[in-house]
Amino acid sequence: KAGVTQTPRYLIKTRGQQVTLSCSPISGHRSVSWYQQTPGQGLQFLFEYFSETQRNKGNFPGRFSGRQFSNSRSEMNVSTLELGDSALYLCASSGRETGYNYGYTFGSGTRLTVV
Amino acid sequence: GEDVEQSLFLSVREGDSSVINCTYTDSSSTYLYWYKQEPGAGLQLLTYIFSNMDMKQDQRLTVLLNKKDKHLSLRIADTQTGDSAIYFCAESINNRKLIWGLGTSLAVNP
Repeated sequence: KAGVTQTPRYLIKTRGQQVTLSCSPISGHRSVSWYQQTPGQGLQFLFEYFSETQRNKGNFPGRFSGRQFSNSRSEMNVSTLELGDSALYLCASSGRETGYNYGYTFGSGTRLTVV
Repeated sequence: GEDVEQSLFLSVREGDSSVINCTYTDSSSTYLYWYKQEPGAGLQLLTYIFSNMDMKQDQRLTVLLNKKDKHLSLRIADTQTGDSAIYFCAESINNRKLIWGLGTSLAVNP
């Protein structure tokens, strides 16, 4: 079956702009999480959604937001982009109500560069 | 606090065993995971161990857990060049969230 699909794969934006990233989980998976990965900070948790509800949120400013649709697809939005937002954004899905105990399947990520 | 630490780099010769170590601080972890990330790719779940187990073996992979010392290790037998990647250790805390290490970059030399 198809894996976790993230689009676009690469994105270049200018400071101050906003961006929307998309994630399609594995068919049947209802839990979706988002992570920001940077060389210095490693993997930082952004949010987790289950059945269109945000269940957990990491320590990111309000410029970072997300949502999940009824088909479990998820989007994350970053407004007023800053240079420090340049990172690989990873989406992960799980077939369990919580993926914490059973592991996640990750997408290949969206590489965002802010110039 | 919640923290997971790993050494950043490991270099081995092809055919040797690799041992990647991880320490964690939170004693309420339920599961501990090893993920692999190849260049340009997402993270792939390699294996996981429940916190009441000491060891888990899966083909070339052996996971050892010392709960007293809060130490987790991943041993890769007969390491191949295709094993070159970044390996992440992660723990789940009270079924609420995952705490990740910064990753260990494994270089396998022919």
